[in-house]
Amino acid sequence: AQSVSQHNHHVILSEAASLELGCNYSYGGTVNLFWYVQYPGQHLQLLLKYFSGDPLVKGIKGFEAEFIKSKFSFNLRKPSVQWSDTAEYFCAPHSGGGADGLTFGKGTHLIIQP
Amino acid sequence: KAGVTQTPRYLIKTRGQQVTLSCSPISGHRSVSWYQQTPGQGLQFLFEYFSETQRNKGNFPGRFSGRQFSNSRSEMNVSTLELGDSALYLCASSTRTRLETQYFGPGTRLLVL
Repeated sequence: AQSVSQHNHHVILSEAASLELGCNYSYGGTVNLFWYVQYPGQHLQLLLKYFSGDPLVKGIKGFEAEFIKSKFSFNLRKPSVQWSDTAEYFCAPHSGGGADGLTFGKGTHLIIQP
Repeated sequence: KAGVTQTPRYLIKTRGQQVTLSCSPISGHRSVSWYQQTPGQGLQFLFEYFSETQRNKGNFPGRFSGRQFSNSRSEMNVSTLELGDSALYLCASSTRTRLETQYFGPGTRLLVL
């Protein structure tokens, strides 16, 4: 079974700081990768996804993530965070052959201080 | 398009009771997945239905069951509730394939007393 590890459970940053949230997964086959975000009081929504092609993918609100196959990683980045980025972020790999649902990481609670 | 809707939004039950939660997917979506979200375990996959058939199942006891109707609406049922079943239950829908993005509903918050 695949597993996913998000390295930081709580991150506190000041506005304009750069952000990188780590995500490593265990599955060795074809994998599709997602980052979801849950803003306070809102639904889970897709931030970005990687299926194939360019390993650097861009998502909404200036977020991007890089797929590094050799490191089984899919880290999320943003050059300059805003107060409105305060949310919980979930990494979710999914095996391409797909017998299972999404496997979510435990999440990273990001707080941006104004 | 309207998003994924879940009813009820909040529910309080006592141990030993059973509960049924409902999910209406986005129009045209035929796949519905259910997840349990708790502070301790995070988001865990329960099961997925596609065209009225359970396609995948997570590692949950048989007290957790579901079904999907011909209009793609789905229900999940938990029998003999335990305190540990208190959680946010999320439903997500997607189009045809497992490779597609899942769209999540607001969830049903279940409290078991």
